[in-house]
Amino acid sequence: AQTVTQSQPEMSVQEAETVTLSCTYDTSESDYYLFWYKQPPSRQMILVIRQEAYKQQNATENRFSVNFQKAAKSFSLKISDSQLGDAAMYFCAYRILLIQGAQKLVFGQGTRLTINP
Amino acid sequence: DTGVSQDPRHKITKRGQNVTFRCDPISEHNRLYWYRQTLGQGPEFLTYFQNEAQLEKSRLLSDRFSAERPKGSFSTLEIQRTEQGDSAMYLCASSLRSRVSGNTIYFGEGSWLTVV
Repeated sequence: AQTVTQSQPEMSVQEAETVTLSCTYDTSESDYYLFWYKQPPSRQMILVIRQEAYKQQNATENRFSVNFQKAAKSFSLKISDSQLGDAAMYFCAYRILLIQGAQKLVFGQGTRLTINP
Repeated sequence: DTGVSQDPRHKITKRGQNVTFRCDPISEHNRLYWYRQTLGQGPEFLTYFQNEAQLEKSRLLSDRFSAERPKGSFSTLEIQRTEQGDSAMYLCASSLRSRVSGNTIYFGEGSWLTVV
């Protein structure tokens, strides 16, 4: 069964600095998708970035980038130039395909990120 | 374009009572999902609808739980004879089967349930 592990329950970073959130996963599949979601307090979860396993190039979205190490089954998120609005719970997720092309996400336990002004 | 909306946002109920949550997905999204999230944990998949058909159910969805999507638009999640262990946030999400959108799943803000 696919599992996702986030070993850092909490992280903090100084505003404008860079922080890296860790995620490891377990799967026997060769082609899959990985995601990072952000969940601000009392607000909905939003997609930050996605990585397709068959792509060797690491995904980037503005200040957010990933370090995808397929052999090591590692998928870390780097946030550059941290801003106060980045404070949230961050969840790493693995996509499992369901019938008729739909999907379900298996989430890690989350990392609470605090930004210090 | 409105997002996924859920109602009520918060519900406090006594043990043994029934509760119902409603989810309105993003317009034209044909796929709808329910997840449950307890404090300090990531969301866990409960069930999935494609249009009005419920095509996947997690074993977490006990007999006391029932979900419907009668016309392929909004969905309801009912919990009968609530127990304290049901206290959690119930998240609804939707997606569109599309090569362009990449099947991105969009989440609502969730419905918090507290069973006392």
